[in-house]
Amino acid sequence: QQPVQSPQAVILREGEDAVINCSSSKALYSVHWYRQKHGEAPVFLMILLKGGEQKGHEKISASFNEKKQQSSLYLTASQLSYSGTYFCGTGNAGNMLTFGGGTRLMVKP
Amino acid sequence: NAGVTQTPKFRILKIGQSMTLQCAQDMNHNYMYWYRQDPGMGLKLIYYSVGAGITDKGEVPNGYNVSRSTTEDFPLRLELAAPSQTSVYFCASSYGTHEQFFGPGTRLTVL
Repeated sequence: QQPVQSPQAVILREGEDAVINCSSSKALYSVHWYRQKHGEAPVFLMILLKGGEQKGHEKISASFNEKKQQSSLYLTASQLSYSGTYFCGTGNAGNMLTFGGGTRLMVKP
Repeated sequence: NAGVTQTPKFRILKIGQSMTLQCAQDMNHNYMYWYRQDPGMGLKLIYYSVGAGITDKGEVPNGYNVSRSTTEDFPLRLELAAPSQTSVYFCASSYGTHEQFFGPGTRLTVL
């Protein structure tokens, strides 16, 4: 079953912050976050592993609540380049990811 | 490094035709994946491989076949194309459970 992302879409002004949430009905081993610009391939942003290990990006951070089976992606001081669709992928021990439906983010000047 | 490459970039098929989508990676990754992405939707896993000679089904394998004879290559075969297979197909690779690197995609239309 695919994870549920919220919100489905968000519009920001440059410099504003955003939070994107990802919830799963299954126990999570890992959560991956990717950004996809229109007509392009998804690009890796962040991975969070059970047990708290995380690695990621400069102005982007994330949290992983194993108990609630949720992850949140935090985008601070948004830039125009942050525009795109953000996908979370929830993983099992074999790294097979199930992707959410995506959150469309638009950053305006 | 070229990363993950896919050919062709675009293809139009008639109903019932067959084709192979090619995927190659030069990062010596052991895991490779095929996803499809319908317009406005997320990615759905078709097949994956954890090493040469080993493949397994993902969420939506019907109508597709794969093989993995080398670490570098992971072709996807479509038999008897149907309009429901109109989609963008992405190949990806990773080193174990680390981040996945995606190819540029193949846009397939079945008419």
